Amino acid sequence: AQSVTQPDIHITVSEGASLELRCNYSYGATPYLFWYVQSPGQGLQLLLKYFSGDTLVQGIKGFEAEFKRSQSSFNLRKPSVHWSDAAEYFCAVGAGDYKLSFGAGTTVTVRA
Amino acid sequence: DGGITQSPKYLFRKEGQNVTLSCEQNLNHDAMYWYRQDPGQGLRLIYYSQIVNDFQKGDIAEGYSVSREKKESFPLTVTSAQKNPTAFYLCASRTSLNSPLHFGNGTRLTVT
Repeated sequence: AQSVTQPDIHITVSEGASLELRCNYSYGATPYLFWYVQSPGQGLQLLLKYFSGDTLVQGIKGFEAEFKRSQSSFNLRKPSVHWSDAAEYFCAVGAGDYKLSFGAGTTVTVRA
Repeated sequence: DGGITQSPKYLFRKEGQNVTLSCEQNLNHDAMYWYRQDPGQGLRLIYYSQIVNDFQKGDIAEGYSVSREKKESFPLTVTSAQKNPTAFYLCASRTSLNSPLHFGNGTRLTVT
């Protein structure tokens, strides 16, 4: 079965600074990978997805992620963080069946 | 606008009572899901349904039940057998195996 690890529980970043959130997955074949963002008390919104092809994928809100097969990673990045990026971020992996596994999430705090 | 509607947003129940959470989608998606979210644990899959009149247990199905009588609807019943029912519940849907999940805004259930 597939699994997802987000090593960082909480990250604090200054507004305007760059952000990188880590995601490692465990799965034998090439998985489907997703990043979602959640504001408090809300559902999850899709930021970006990777299925195949170009390993650098662009998403909404200025986010991008890079799939690295050799490292089993799918890290999320943003060059310059805005205060509105404060939220919880989830990495998810699908393996070709109907189940989608989520990481435990990383909470991002943005300081002025 | 198409989307997923979860109701109510907040739900309070006494211990020992069954309670049903509503989930309706007008996205014409075949597959629907229920996740439970607890702080620091990410999203855990309760049940999912690929088509009408069919559903499968997820990772934490004990104490929960579902039905899928219509494509648009996938209600979740939290029974008195669920030992720790207080949580945030998220409903989601998607069109196919490799498509991303679309989420509702969740129902926060508090059982006292």
